[in-house]
Amino acid sequence: EVQLVESGGGLGQPGGSLRLSCEASGFTFSSYWMHWVRQAPGKGLVWVSHINTDGSRTNYADSVKGRFTISRDNAKNTLYLQMDSLRVEDTAVYYCARRPVSGFGELNNWGQGTLVTVSS
Amino acid sequence: SYDLTQPPSVSVFPGQTASIICSGDNLGNKYVCWYQQKPGQSPVLVIYQDTKRPSGIPERLSGSSSGNTATLTIRGTQAIDEADYYCQAWDSNTVVFGGGTKLTVL
Repeated sequence: EVQLVESGGGLGQPGGSLRLSCEASGFTFSSYWMHWVRQAPGKGLVWVSHINTDGSRTNYADSVKGRFTISRDNAKNTLYLQMDSLRVEDTAVYYCARRPVSGFGELNNWGQGTLVTVSS
Repeated sequence: SYDLTQPPSVSVFPGQTASIICSGDNLGNKYVCWYQQKPGQSPVLVIYQDTKRPSGIPERLSGSSSGNTATLTIRGTQAIDEADYYCQAWDSNTVVFGGGTKLTVL
């Protein structure tokens, strides 16, 4: 069974940092592109970032570019999101999600999410 | 940046057909997928590549796409279908979501 389990959320200070992790199991993690998607309280889904299978290619939403860094450790089956220079508007539930090998952009497995709250 | 537009809300009586439209420039030239999200839960993929259903998704959910619009259709709507629905496309190496539509079963 495919499982994605996020962790690392919590309270962060404006200007501070947090590091999210997403531990994957039940599939060959190194074969899949992975994404982070966030959802502010009561709002819609917003794509944050993605990374290819070996970590050599990444992309970011304009709202987080230069502040967030996506990475992965295929030996540990874990995806990361380093969040620096946090802003109040980064407050959201952060989901990691998997794109199928033969997919065209869809995300067919999602974690349960981890809540990040940025506040002083 | 590429934008996808959805109506904020759609209402339907039980047993009737609900249609949720997603609009975007030349959307018919991109693959569209749809997610269902119930309160407090993670999104679930219900339609991918415009018309395909993942295993476990009931046949009464279907998708179509043409021109500048994609449509999620739910036939014989049931109370369990009440949820938020999001369309999504892939554009310029990014994932783009619509704003979401709250489906209310009256």
